[in-house]
Amino acid sequence: DAGVTQSPTHLIKTRGQHVTLRCSPISGHKSVSWYQQVLGQGPQFIFQYYEKEERGRGNFPDRFSARQFPNYSSELNVNALLLGDSALYLCASSFLAEAFFGQGTRLTVV
Amino acid sequence: AQSVTQPDIHITVSEGASLELRCNYSYGATPYLFWYVQSPGQGLQLLLKYFSGDTLVQGIKGFEAEFKRSQSSFNLRKPSVHWSDAAEYFCAVGSNTGNQFYFGTGTSLTVIP
Repeated sequence: DAGVTQSPTHLIKTRGQHVTLRCSPISGHKSVSWYQQVLGQGPQFIFQYYEKEERGRGNFPDRFSARQFPNYSSELNVNALLLGDSALYLCASSFLAEAFFGQGTRLTVV
Repeated sequence: AQSVTQPDIHITVSEGASLELRCNYSYGATPYLFWYVQSPGQGLQLLLKYFSGDTLVQGIKGFEAEFKRSQSSFNLRKPSVHWSDAAEYFCAVGSNTGNQFYFGTGTSLTVIP
């Protein structure tokens, strides 16, 4: 049974560029959320989507956006990258109030 | 506002010794509480969760946690630590929708032989 899958696993971008991160939830899970984990910190909530609608948003600038597709997969987009956006980006899918996390995408902005 | 405090940034224990990791939370409603473990460069694995009922919950890998409402705490314990338990441990409080979590800053556990 496949878990939550994220792609790519690693990514290097230059300041000012745009990045798209992808997430496929566990089959049957309709809710996806995104978290940013800066080195040495706990994950910070960015977005939650359920049935293609945004259900929650954390304290992140408008440069961050996301969407969910009919098959419940999701994309996180970040525009105008800053050095401070370097982090591990985690996706989680949930069912019955329990979340399952992917391995994350390690984004490095140089 | 929701928040989680893990007062211990780093803990070192000897293999076979007991372990307790502290967690305090602030949440307006009845909290859903979780402990996750993260190995270097990896995602988060759920150790255990508390939704309601018995305040002592059992998890995987021999871990347990006790919910104390009067102290707003949800401390993680293990009676005998194994070298493979070395990792980063995160306490989190979540909504009943299950997908908006607020994490603590984590406790790094080192296990010495």
